Amino acid sequence: QSVLTQPPSVSGAPGQRVTISCTGSSSNIGAGYDVHWYQQLPGTAPKLLIYGNSNRPSGVPDRFSGSKSGTSASLAITGLQAEDEADYYCQSYDSSLSGFNVFGTGTKVTVL
Amino acid sequence: QLQLQESGPGLVKPSETLSLTCTVSGGSISSSSYYWGWIRQPPGKGLEWIGSIYYSGSTYYNPSLKSRVTISVDTSKNQFSLKLSSVTAADTAVYYCARQINWDLNFDYWGQGTLVTVSS
Repeated sequence: QSVLTQPPSVSGAPGQRVTISCTGSSSNIGAGYDVHWYQQLPGTAPKLLIYGNSNRPSGVPDRFSGSKSGTSASLAITGLQAEDEADYYCQSYDSSLSGFNVFGTGTKVTVL
Repeated sequence: QLQLQESGPGLVKPSETLSLTCTVSGGSISSSSYYWGWIRQPPGKGLEWIGSIYYSGSTYYNPSLKSRVTISVDTSKNQFSLKLSSVTAADTAVYYCARQINWDLNFDYWGQGTLVTVSS
């Protein structure tokens, strides 16, 4: 059971802006640990989309942006495109127990 | 370009040990500062971190799986491996290997994943 909560699904029309939230707690995001985001297209491995809260790896369009505040983080997709239809996961580190990496529950983005 | 490739049996019997190997190419597993991890995804479900290892052999595991997991590294073969003991149907998943920037940071390169089914 993940300690990072995401909405199960979000949707938008082409060209619109959608946001995905990732809600944590004082032992992970709120403790200052970075948040990272991954995109998983159907039948493929996850791909790093955002690292260190707001940084894009080379090749990731600037339509994707990340932010973090308090115990939560967000991924925004502007100018939504059909190819953005995928599952999205946040990831951080949790210092409880002996410490562990944790992924969010995942969000399915549907392009209407 | 760094590439990771998982290999191992696709079918494991209940109560037995699941064994997978990840072969790294296009770079050295002994590169300083990187960790190497295993992540799994049950069919239709989300991602779960299993554990990670440094080239020196230092490991850290998901507390929920720690009692059943062993991750090891073979720098001479540029490989690292996963063993998960006493498997049940709940361990059926696609298993991914990935490079981790540091023990508490992101995974930047992933293997394509391999489906392991636990069934008699």
